[in-house]
Amino acid sequence: SAVISQKPSRDICQRGTSLTIQCQVDSQVTMMFWYRQQPGQSLTLIATANQGSEATYESGFVIDKFPISRPNLTFSTLTVSNLSPEDSSIYLCSVEKKTGADNEQFFGPGTRLTVL
Amino acid sequence: GQNIDQPTEMTATEGAIVQINCTYQTSGFNGLFWYQQHAGEAPTFLSYNVLDGLEEKGRFSSFLSRSKGYSYLLLKELQMKDSASYLCAVYNTDKLIFGTGTRLQVFP
Repeated sequence: SAVISQKPSRDICQRGTSLTIQCQVDSQVTMMFWYRQQPGQSLTLIATANQGSEATYESGFVIDKFPISRPNLTFSTLTVSNLSPEDSSIYLCSVEKKTGADNEQFFGPGTRLTVL
Repeated sequence: GQNIDQPTEMTATEGAIVQINCTYQTSGFNGLFWYQQHAGEAPTFLSYNVLDGLEEKGRFSSFLSRSKGYSYLLLKELQMKDSASYLCAVYNTDKLIFGTGTRLQVFP
C-alpha cells in the first residue's frame, strides 16, 4: 500500500489569495494525481503531476489557476490561485502503485478549503 | 466524452443485500474500481475488475461486463457502518475517472 499525507488538512482563505497544498508519499511512485471533490459530489480529476515535466491538465482546468509541482517521486504540490468562493472544496492527492499484477490507486486524507 | 453513471442515492435495511449499479461509456478501458467513502474521509479501495465476471471479497462482490459497459457492487449482510458513498471509477489509459457516486443509507 501507500501512506499519503497532505498539508494543510484544512484552511480558510480570503478571496483573491492562493493556497498551496502539499502531498507526501512514503515511497516512490510514478503516477501522482490531484482531484477535487465539491460538497456532496464525486471526485473530479484536475491533473496528473508528472515528475520532471509539466503537469497534464484535464478539460476545464488550467495551469494558471492550478499550478502543480512534482520535484521528485514522493512529493507534489497543488496551488489554487486567485481564490473565489467557488473553489471551496476538498482537494485530494492520489498515487498509483502496483500491487501484485494490478495497479491500485490510493488517496490522501484530503485538504478541505473554504474561501470566504 | 466520458460518462460514468450511478444511482444518486439508495437505502437498505441492516442484514439485507444491496446492489449498486454503474454504467460507463469511456474512450478507453483498463479496468474498473469501486471505492467506499465515508463522510469527511478519503475514498478507500474496495475492488478492481479488469476481466468479465464476478470478484468476491468477503461481504462485497463486484461484477463486470465489458461488452455492456456495466458493473455492479453487491453488498451482503449489510451493517450500519456500510452507510457511505460508493464510487465507481474507470481506469482510462493512465488515469482514473470517477462516476457520480451513490450514497447508501443503511437503516436498522
